Amino acid sequence: AQSVTQLGSHVSVSEGALVLLRCNYSSSVPPYLFWYVQYPNQGLQLLLKYTTGATLVKGINGFEAEFKKSETSFHLTKPSAHMSDAAEYFCAVSENTGNQFYFGTGTSLTVIP
Amino acid sequence: DTGVSQNPRHKITKRGQNVTFRCDPISEHNRLYWYRQTLGQGPEFLTYFQNEAQLEKSRLLSDRFSAERPKGSFSTLEIQRTEQGDSAMYLCASSLGGYANTGELFFGEGSRLTVL
Repeated sequence: AQSVTQLGSHVSVSEGALVLLRCNYSSSVPPYLFWYVQYPNQGLQLLLKYTTGATLVKGINGFEAEFKKSETSFHLTKPSAHMSDAAEYFCAVSENTGNQFYFGTGTSLTVIP
Repeated sequence: DTGVSQNPRHKITKRGQNVTFRCDPISEHNRLYWYRQTLGQGPEFLTYFQNEAQLEKSRLLSDRFSAERPKGSFSTLEIQRTEQGDSAMYLCASSLGGYANTGELFFGEGSRLTVL
């Protein structure tokens, strides 16, 4: 069985500060891991994904995440927050067959000017 | 191709009525997924298709819910005898399966259902 836990349903950061959104997963098989972003009144968009290979993955808008198998984590970071980063962020895990995807409950990011 | 398309975007109905949502996936995608999202929650898996075959259904999908993908292209999700608890955003996503699997879901903007 697979599951995702996102610690912190709401995160606030100042503009220009580091963004850190936490995601821990549970999977009995090698996972595929994803971060999606949802802006108000829009569909979910893929930020980045880990499937195989390099454990540090870079995504759009300056975000990156590192797959740490020993910690079963896939935390999302961005060195410097921008006002446009304010959104809901979802971590997701799937089996490496991609048959089913499990999402976390989401983290709402607020950027304070 | 402009992505995954869902309609209607909004549906308000009275309890007990039937509603149907349609999803048009990205044309070359053979997998199609339905998710439900309620306020403050992440998307919850309902069901998925590979081509026209419905391969998996969640226990969340009660007998009042039925999904079809008759020709392996668009899909419909019907909810019969709607209840207030069915109020949610219904999300459709598509992906490439099999050897072309990139492990990525492409989402539509969702269909919001409000049951009065």
